[in-house]
Amino acid sequence: SAVISQKPSRDICQRGTSLTIQCQVDSQVTMMFWYRQQPGQSLTLIATANQGSEATYESGFVIDKFPISRPNLTFSTLTVSNMSPEDSSIYLCSVEDAVKLYGYTFGSGTRLTVV
Amino acid sequence: KNQVEQSPQSLIILEGKNCTLQCNYTVSPFSNLRWYKQDTGRGPVSLTIMTFSENTKSNGRYTATLDADTKQSSLHITASQLSDSASYICVVSAAGGGNKLTFGTGTQLKVEL
Repeated sequence: SAVISQKPSRDICQRGTSLTIQCQVDSQVTMMFWYRQQPGQSLTLIATANQGSEATYESGFVIDKFPISRPNLTFSTLTVSNMSPEDSSIYLCSVEDAVKLYGYTFGSGTRLTVV
Repeated sequence: KNQVEQSPQSLIILEGKNCTLQCNYTVSPFSNLRWYKQDTGRGPVSLTIMTFSENTKSNGRYTATLDADTKQSSLHITASQLSDSASYICVVSAAGGGNKLTFGTGTQLKVEL
């Protein structure tokens, strides 16, 4: 199955600043997905990142707040902009594994704390 | 609205004991159901995947069942180990292509000596 390297694993940031999270996949994938997992909550899809086109955002998430880059088929970044304490969450990237039918592989997550 | 509900919310068991986690869903049209294990501070790791035609699937000490008629699934853990302490998340996918996953809030399992 695909292997995803996600960085950073955790960070503590000041409100008003921005943080960029990176995900590197060891194989080429068409779509990459970004999720947010707030404390005690289930995963919520932020957006789908396709190479060569703008990301598709889910309801409640906007590009100005969560800009995404997808420069090639193995890499993507998610930026959390102008952070507030409400942005404190775990952020995860995910890809659909071509090896295992219907399988999705997740990155190890970025635990973000905004103070 | 597609929903996935898991029970119990949390569970504490002694090492070596068995336990069963429940998942009820209202996702339609149904495509498949997955159970994931998420260790603290880590991303979810897939345990089992079941489609409509499958009613049981095992992965070592983990056995998942699916009743597509009643829209229920269970995850049975046999002979629990301390390393089983984690959150177990039920994820249901709707048919129709793309990423149409609905996540449960998970069951937090703690295995103690």
